Parts: sequence; C-alpha cells; structure tokens
Amino acid sequence: TQLLEQSPQFLSIQEGENLTVYCNSSSVFSSLQWYRQEPGEGPVLLVTVVTGGEVKKLKRLTFQFGDARKDSSLHITAAQPGDTGLYLCAGARTAAGNKLTFGGGTRVLVKP
Amino acid sequence: NAGVTQTPKFQVLKTGQSMTLQCAQDMNHEYMSWYRQDPGMGLRLIHYSVGAGITDQGEVPNGYNVSRSTTEDFPLRLLSAAPSQTSVYFCASRARGVMNTEAFFGQGTRLTVV
Repeated sequence: TQLLEQSPQFLSIQEGENLTVYCNSSSVFSSLQWYRQEPGEGPVLLVTVVTGGEVKKLKRLTFQFGDARKDSSLHITAAQPGDTGLYLCAGARTAAGNKLTFGGGTRVLVKP
Repeated sequence: NAGVTQTPKFQVLKTGQSMTLQCAQDMNHEYMSWYRQDPGMGLRLIHYSVGAGITDQGEVPNGYNVSRSTTEDFPLRLLSAAPSQTSVYFCASRARGVMNTEAFFGQGTRLTVV
C-alpha cells in the first residue's frame, strides 16, 4: 500500500475535454509536488504546493492542495495530445523534504 | 549541463549475479535517492541520502546496498540479482532547502534479471 494513492490509474479522453487527477493520503504532508513522465524519460517537475488550500495555475493546468494538506488534485482544461503522459504526485512529510515518496501514477492518454 | 547521469542505460543479469548501477550529479545537491519503477506504476523509494556518509532505507530496500562517499556519486549495488528486481531504476538528486525542492532525475537504467 502506497502512502499516496492516485486515481484514476488510467484516463483516456478526446482532445478538448477536461480531466482531473487526484492524489490522496491519510497522512499530512508539508508539501506536495506533481511530476509528468514521458516514455523512456525520468519525471519532470510541474509544480510544488506548500500551503493548505493553495491553488496554482500553469497555463491549462490547475493544481490544488487540500486544506488539511492530505490531498491534491490536478485539473487540465481543454486537454491536448501533448498532455499525454504519466502524472505522478510526490510528497514530503517534513518541511526539509529529505524523503520524497511518490504515488502510483495516473496514465493520461489524450486522443486527437 | 549534464545534471544527473546514470550508467548503464540497459543491463541484463543472470539470477545470482551482482552489479552496481552508477549515478553521478554535477549540481552539488545534498540529497540523492534511488527509485524503482515497475511497468505502468509509480516510483518506489529504495534508498536515499542526505549528504556524504549518510544513507537511509526507503520503502523497498531489501536486496540493495548504497554508499555515499562523495557529494557527486551515489551507486546502487544489487547483491544477488533476482527476477523480482527486473525494473527501471531512477536516480534523483535535490538541493537541500527550507521547503521541498525539485527532484532532478537521470534517464534511468532498464534492468532485466533472467
């Protein structure tokens, strides 16, 4: 059982549709990060959220950190084929963040 | 900029063999970690280090050893390879910070144990 549970595990949508990916835990995290990974590559950071209730926007991507700092969501508006990839949330229990653990990932496929 | 460099990129081992996966970073990061990623899944933490001479276990440490003699290098040793260790291995480094900092990953080592 992973400390961070992501849902859904797989999402297939048409170009132009919206999607939301969830990252949940029973534990409190000092911060959560979202990464995207493409085939054959290592994950690349999208955003870090640190304050409960925080909302960050990155173009068509909106990230939210839950008020209790136990969960986070990633919402993509008007998805494009270039958004296809594996989305991973990662959390650190301590402020220093020396131990970073990952969720199981959500594989997103955006069809043209 | 090199960033995080992992070698080799691909490796096939026979059951019982040992080997070392190399990881080097040139960003002077204090934190380094090893993860394994099985098909279609997220990353599981094997071992991590917060500085030279300091290492600790992650979620799945059995069958693996690490050492951190320098800031730059963090090798992962498989003591006696088993088919269950077939996976893609990623090394990551991060700067020490007041809050969680960005993890930079290598391109991975794809290991098959037969």
